Amino acid sequence: DVKVTQSSRYLVKRTGEKVFLECVQDMDHENMFWYRQDPGLGLRLIYFSYDVKMKEKGDIPEGYSVSREKKERFSLILESASTNQTSMYLCASSLGGRTYNEQFFGPGTRLTVL
Amino acid sequence: GENVEQHPSTLSVQEGDSAVIKCTYSDSASNYFPWYKQELGKRPQLIIDIRSNVGEKKDQRIAVTLNKTAKHFSLHITETQPEDSAVYFCAAREGRRALTFGSGTRLQVQP
Repeated sequence: DVKVTQSSRYLVKRTGEKVFLECVQDMDHENMFWYRQDPGLGLRLIYFSYDVKMKEKGDIPEGYSVSREKKERFSLILESASTNQTSMYLCASSLGGRTYNEQFFGPGTRLTVL
Repeated sequence: GENVEQHPSTLSVQEGDSAVIKCTYSDSASNYFPWYKQELGKRPQLIIDIRSNVGEKKDQRIAVTLNKTAKHFSLHITETQPEDSAVYFCAAREGRRALTFGSGTRLQVQP
């Protein structure tokens, strides 16, 4: 059974703080993804990675960066948090190679920036 | 890049009725179309998917249809039950790219 975990379910930070969101998967998946979920906007892709140390920008990468030093771990970094980054953040992973592989999601981190 | 539009944003049906959610996509190269269900407070989970070489796929009470010419696909839920109440997301993908999701449909099944 695939397990994708995220470091926090709820997080409250101050404007300007540096924020780290961690995601770990235990199924040796090549691909990992970070989305943010906002009401009425669905899930929007921030960044994804298809291999260690590889990353690609998604649709809304501004204000975010990522790090993938190990295959099982994908970190999302908010260099200087702003109130418009208050959102639900979802991590996901999938096998690489074939295009039809299911994406498995983590439980999400609800981030509030004050 | 890909753009996926989803309608309606909310849908209320009586228990036992059918529900239909529709999505359109923009990239004719997209070849994989999954549907995810997200219950309140939980993570999205895959419920059914379809590939571009198939026109229809069914799994018990849920079915998905794909019209490649018109670039739209739909989710059909028959004999709805209260436990079907959730937010449903369609998505599309081309090649190795990440999924592009629709904006979601909140389905409410009234007992």
